[in-house]
Amino acid sequence: QKEVEQNSGPLSVPEGAIASLNCTYSDRGSQSFFWYRQYSGKSPELIMSIYSNGDKEDGRFTAQLNKASQYVSLLIRDSQPSDSATYLCAVTSNSGYALNFGKGTSLLVTP
Amino acid sequence: KAGVTQTPRYLIKTRGQQVTLSCSPISGHRSVSWYQQTPGQGLQFLFEYFSETQRNKGNFPGRFSGRQFSNSRSEMNVSTLELGDSALYLCASSRGQGSTEAFFGQGTRLTVV
Repeated sequence: QKEVEQNSGPLSVPEGAIASLNCTYSDRGSQSFFWYRQYSGKSPELIMSIYSNGDKEDGRFTAQLNKASQYVSLLIRDSQPSDSATYLCAVTSNSGYALNFGKGTSLLVTP
Repeated sequence: KAGVTQTPRYLIKTRGQQVTLSCSPISGHRSVSWYQQTPGQGLQFLFEYFSETQRNKGNFPGRFSGRQFSNSRSEMNVSTLELGDSALYLCASSRGQGSTEAFFGQGTRLTVV
């Protein structure tokens, strides 16, 4: 069973702080890694993709990938109350045709 | 550019019935994947289609099936519904070649009573 693990949270951070979300995966053959944001009652929204080791920055978001440690993380700088949501880590299967999702980390940004 | 469109948004069915859900992908996207989301199990992969061919299937019983049409639109069918099939069913589309970025529709909320 290929697994993607995330802490369920809730992770609570004050407004303006950095939120750090972590994810580990078991399938060494995975090639693509994604972070989705899901607000309550809504569908997942793609916010970051990363394919090679290192950091990738997009606005207030930074994704970090370490394939040797099978570890992906998402940093949210200057967190806002509107960032309060569940963040889902997704990893492609060995076939590349399916996404394996973690169960998500609930983030709460308090004013 | 229109996003992924799923219909219907909400469904209530009785145990033993069957249901068909529809998904229209983003224009130009040829891959459509289906996922089931429940509070207990999270998002679980059902199947993926590309150019009318099923390329991958998740660990679900044969009651769950799907197909894709030549215009890339996709349908999934669940026969002999069970209470445990109550879930949010999500469709995602991607280009399917060279890009695995997947974009989700709003989902169909299925309730089996």
